[in-house]
Amino acid sequence: NAGVTQTPKFQVLKTGQSMTLQCAQDMNHEYMSWYRQDPGMGLRLIHYSVGAGITDQGEVPNGYNVSRSTTEDFPLRLLSAAPSQTSVYFCASSNTPSGGVSEQYFGPGTRLTVT
Amino acid sequence: GQQVMQIPQYQHVQEGEDFTTYCNSSTTLSNIQWYKQRPGGHPVFLIQLVKSGEVKKQKRLTFQFGEAKKNSSLHITATQTTDVGTYFCAAPPGGSGGSNYKLTFGKGTLLTVNP
Repeated sequence: NAGVTQTPKFQVLKTGQSMTLQCAQDMNHEYMSWYRQDPGMGLRLIHYSVGAGITDQGEVPNGYNVSRSTTEDFPLRLLSAAPSQTSVYFCASSNTPSGGVSEQYFGPGTRLTVT
Repeated sequence: GQQVMQIPQYQHVQEGEDFTTYCNSSTTLSNIQWYKQRPGGHPVFLIQLVKSGEVKKQKRLTFQFGEAKKNSSLHITATQTTDVGTYFCAAPPGGSGGSNYKLTFGKGTLLTVNP
C-alpha cells in the first residue's frame, strides 16, 4: 500500500491564482482530513470528510473548498490564493476505531508559497 | 473551540538526558493521541491513551493520561539523536469519543539533542 499520497510536493502561486492540492489514500479509510501547519502553530484542521459525498468545516476553512466524490480522493481547492495561505498542507486519513484506537495516517505534505 | 496547551515549546538536551513534554486541556478529554514529526517530515502516530490514569510505555518513551483526563505527558528516558523532532499531542472535540478524524493539536514541543 502507498498509504496517503499528496501532490504536488512544492508549489508557488501568485496572489489571486487558484489551484487544487491532491490527496489520495489506498487504505479504504472512511475519514479524511486536511490540516495546515504554520511555524509555532501546530496543525490546524481545515476541512474533513466522514465518507464519500460528506464534508464539513474545521477550525480554519475560509478560502478553501473540498469535495469527496470517491472514498480514495479528497482534493483541497484554493479559490483565490493569498499570502496568508503560505503554509505546509497535510492530508490525513483514518478509519473506524479498531480496538478503540483510531490513528491518523498523514501524507508527506505540500509546501505552498503564495507571493 | 477546544484548546490543548502544550509546553515547553522548545527543549534542547544533551544526549542521554531525559525529556518531558506536557499537554493540558481545560475540558475533559475522551482520549489523547501523541504524534512525532521528524524535521521535514510528516506527523507519525505514536500512541493513544483512553483511560483515566493510564500509563503506557514504548521502550524509552512513557506516556501518561491524568486522572481527570485533562492532562497528559510524554517522557523520554536517556534521549538519543534519533529522538530529534517535534512531539504533538492531539485530542478529539470534547467528550466525543470516536471523532479522531477532527483532532485539535497542541502547538508541539521541538526536541533537539546535542550528541
